[in-house]
Amino acid sequence: NAGVTQTPKFQVLKTGQSMTLQCAQDMNHEYMSWYRQDPGMGLRLIHYSVGAGITDQGEVPNGYNVSRSTTEDFPLRLLSAAPSQTSVYFCASNRQQNGEQYFGPGTRLTVT
Amino acid sequence: GQQVMQIPQYQHVQEGEDFTTYCNSSTTLSNIQWYKQRPGGHPVFLIQLVKSGEVKKQKRLTFQFGEAKKNSSLHITATQTTDVGTYFCAGRRDSSYKLIFGSGTRLLVRP
Repeated sequence: NAGVTQTPKFQVLKTGQSMTLQCAQDMNHEYMSWYRQDPGMGLRLIHYSVGAGITDQGEVPNGYNVSRSTTEDFPLRLLSAAPSQTSVYFCASNRQQNGEQYFGPGTRLTVT
Repeated sequence: GQQVMQIPQYQHVQEGEDFTTYCNSSTTLSNIQWYKQRPGGHPVFLIQLVKSGEVKKQKRLTFQFGEAKKNSSLHITATQTTDVGTYFCAGRRDSSYKLIFGSGTRLLVRP
């Protein structure tokens, strides 16, 4: 099992550009989440999904869109990148609603 | 909204010394999880506590969940250089999927 994979590892965007961060898991987990990690602030939940076709907002959803067309994939779209979105983004999945989360390796995004 | 505070922000210890990080929530939690993140890495699950007053041990690590289910602690006995990293607590309220993370405690160990 590859677990949770994320691409790309690094990305630099200019303000106003859009892009999609990819996340996939091969553990057949129903639950998937996107977090951003900023220095001194821990991880903050952006969006999450409790199954294919079902998504919901987390703490900091503005500026991001998600969709969940399959159990395996949970892409995160930045519609119009802003410098405030410079961060490290982690995708995670879990089998049970209250279960442990398995994190991907992260994507380091810089917006100039 | 729900907040989870974690202290201290940093701890620098001599190898062999003990280390403790504390987590406090503004609301009662249904469960609390602890994660470790090595420098440059991703968070890795350590343990979950569910019951009021619960204590769990993993070798040199001891985890506690408060009686009121609003606070938790992680204690490491006799730290080693392999313990270096940032330790996060993360809690959930009843019936909520959302996991709220503390800001983390970064542990540095002098050999």
